[in-house]
Amino acid sequence: AQTVTQSQPEMSVQEAETVTLSCTYDTSESDYYLFWYKQPPSRQMILVIRQEAYKQQNATENRFSVNFQKAAKSFSLKISDSQLGDAAMYFCAYRGYGGSQGNLIFGKGTKLSVKP
Amino acid sequence: DTGVSQNPRHKITKRGQNVTFRCDPISEHNRLYWYRQTLGQGPEFLTYFQNEAQLEKSRLLSDRFSAERPKGSFSTLEIQRTEQGDSAMYLCASSTQSGPYYNEQFFGPGTRLTVL
Repeated sequence: AQTVTQSQPEMSVQEAETVTLSCTYDTSESDYYLFWYKQPPSRQMILVIRQEAYKQQNATENRFSVNFQKAAKSFSLKISDSQLGDAAMYFCAYRGYGGSQGNLIFGKGTKLSVKP
Repeated sequence: DTGVSQNPRHKITKRGQNVTFRCDPISEHNRLYWYRQTLGQGPEFLTYFQNEAQLEKSRLLSDRFSAERPKGSFSTLEIQRTEQGDSAMYLCASSTQSGPYYNEQFFGPGTRLTVL
């Protein structure tokens, strides 16, 4: 069975600085998707960034980028120029590649605080 | 608002009562997912539908839980004979298998269930 591990329950960053959130996963599949989701307090979960395992290039979305190390099964999220609005729970998630693979497997999350 | 909606947003019930939650997905989305999120944890998959067919159910979905998606539109999740351990946030998500957001899951705001 696939598992996702986030070893940092809480992280803190100064506004305008850079922070990296860690995620490792375990799977025997060769093709899959990885995601980072953001869940602000009392608000719904939104997708931050996604990575297809068959792509070697790391995904980037504005201030958010990932460091995908397939052999190490590592998928970290880097947030540059942190803003107060980045404060939230961040979840790393895995999904299989096949057409019948529907569900996401989530880590336990990392609570990010941003200090002004 | 054309996002995923869930009702009610909050539900308080006594142990042993039955409760039903509703999820309305984004209109053109053919897949609908249910997840459960307990405090301090990431969401855990419960079940998902493709159109009206329930394609996968987690072992977490005990006999007291049932989900339906009549006509492939909205979905309901019913919990019979609720237990205190059922207290959690119940999240719904939907996705489409076409277009630029292929298989991206969009989440609703959740229904928070408290069992006294």
